[in-house]
Amino acid sequence: GEDVEQSLFLSVREGDSSVINCTYTDSSSTYLYWYKQEPGAGLQLLTYIFSNMDMKQDQRLTVLLNKKDKHLSLRIADTQTGDSAIYFCAERGSSYKLIFGSGTRLLVRP
Amino acid sequence: GAGVSQSPSNKVTEKGKDVELRCDPISGHTALYWYRQSLGQGLEFLIYFQGNSAPDKSGLPSDRFSAERTGGSVSTLTIQRTQQEDSAVYLCASSLRWGRGDTEAFFGQGTRLTVV
Repeated sequence: GEDVEQSLFLSVREGDSSVINCTYTDSSSTYLYWYKQEPGAGLQLLTYIFSNMDMKQDQRLTVLLNKKDKHLSLRIADTQTGDSAIYFCAERGSSYKLIFGSGTRLLVRP
Repeated sequence: GAGVSQSPSNKVTEKGKDVELRCDPISGHTALYWYRQSLGQGLEFLIYFQGNSAPDKSGLPSDRFSAERTGGSVSTLTIQRTQQEDSAVYLCASSLRWGRGDTEAFFGQGTRLTVV
């Protein structure tokens, strides 16, 4: 079935790069997404990548996709304290559903 | 409206009571989704609407859960005879249409349900 897995926690120092990893099982995934959830807030779409791409860059964010290994990563350059949040990986395959991982809590230390 | 609106934002209810959670999607969005987020967990898909019809209800946890959508707009998620394990944040999302993967799904702020 469809499954998305992420590590639960990541702690980095302000100014360093953060790399959040995700693996998925649905080989028919067409789009993969990264969402950000700040405390007490809803989910905000950060970026997405189409499955025929292997990289997408958007300002401080870089998404890497290894379709063979079904591995997705989100790199945040020059991480700031405002980046502290929970980051969810999600995939959409042949169905209409967005399947989410359990989220990675990013803590940015001053 | 400007975004997806959910009400109430918080709901505390006694075990065994029924609750209704409301979602107002973005105007013109035909696809509407309900998810549940339990403490420390990811998002669990509950149900999806395309227009007023729900092609797949398999994500609903039990027959105590039901949802409807009227006029292709507002949706209501009803939980009957609430149990403590129903305590979670219920999130609603809408998107312009379901078939386009590059169409963003916009999420509401959620309803935090606490069953005591």
